[in-house]
Amino acid sequence: AIRMTQSPSSFSASTGDRVTITCRASQGISSYLAWYQQKPGKAPKLLIYAASTLQSGVPSRFSGSGSGTDFTLTISCLQSEDFATYYCQQYYSYPWAFGQGTKVEIK
Amino acid sequence: EVQLVESGGGLVQPGGSLRLSCAASGFTFSSYEMNWVRQAPGKGLEWVSYISSSGSTIYYADSVKGRFTISRDNAKNSLYLQMNSLRAEDTAVYYCAREQAAVAGNFDYWGQGTLVTVSS
Repeated sequence: AIRMTQSPSSFSASTGDRVTITCRASQGISSYLAWYQQKPGKAPKLLIYAASTLQSGVPSRFSGSGSGTDFTLTISCLQSEDFATYYCQQYYSYPWAFGQGTKVEIK
Repeated sequence: EVQLVESGGGLVQPGGSLRLSCAASGFTFSSYEMNWVRQAPGKGLEWVSYISSSGSTIYYADSVKGRFTISRDNAKNSLYLQMNSLRAEDTAVYYCAREQAAVAGNFDYWGQGTLVTVSS
C-alpha cells in the first residue's frame, strides 16, 4: 500500500502569510494527488485534484504542484477562513490513502 | 444541490453490527462511484470502501475486509455500509463521499458524517 506523509504536522501562521505544506508518497503516484481542507466538526472539502487543478469555487490563493512522489500545497496569502487542517490523498492505486494531516493555526 | 445524508450511527458493543445508510439527492446517483471514509476522534481520514456506479466493482481497506460490506440501491439513491464484528478501533465518524465524475479517486461531495461508537 502507498503511504502518504505530510510535513509539518502543524504550524502557526499569521493572516497574510504565504504558507506551504508538503506531501510525500512512498512510491510514485504520477499526478494522482488531491488536497482537502477540513474545519472542526465539518466534512472535508476538495481543494485541488490532479496535483494542481483547482476545484471549482476554490479561491485562487490556493495552488498545488508536484508529481511523482513530492507535492506541495501553497496558500499565497493566508486568510482567517483558511485556518484548518489540510490532507493530501493519493488515488493512484487502491487502497486510496490520506496523509496524516497538517493543522494550520493562528499565530 | 448535491446532498449526501448519512444515518444509522450509534453506540454498539464490541462484536456487534450496524448498518449505515447514505441518502443521495441533487444528482444522478446511478452515474457516480461512491465511497465510505472514516475519521476516528481527533485523528485523520481513513478510506474504508469503494463501490462502482453499477455496484459491480468493490474495494475495501484491509482494516475492514471480511467484516464490512458496501452496497448501493440506485433505484433508492442510497449507499449502505453493513458493519459486522465491530471493534473499538472502528469508532469513528463515517462519511459517504462521491467520486468526482471523469476524475476517479477524489471526492467532490461529502455527507455530514454519522458517528459510530464501539464500546461496552
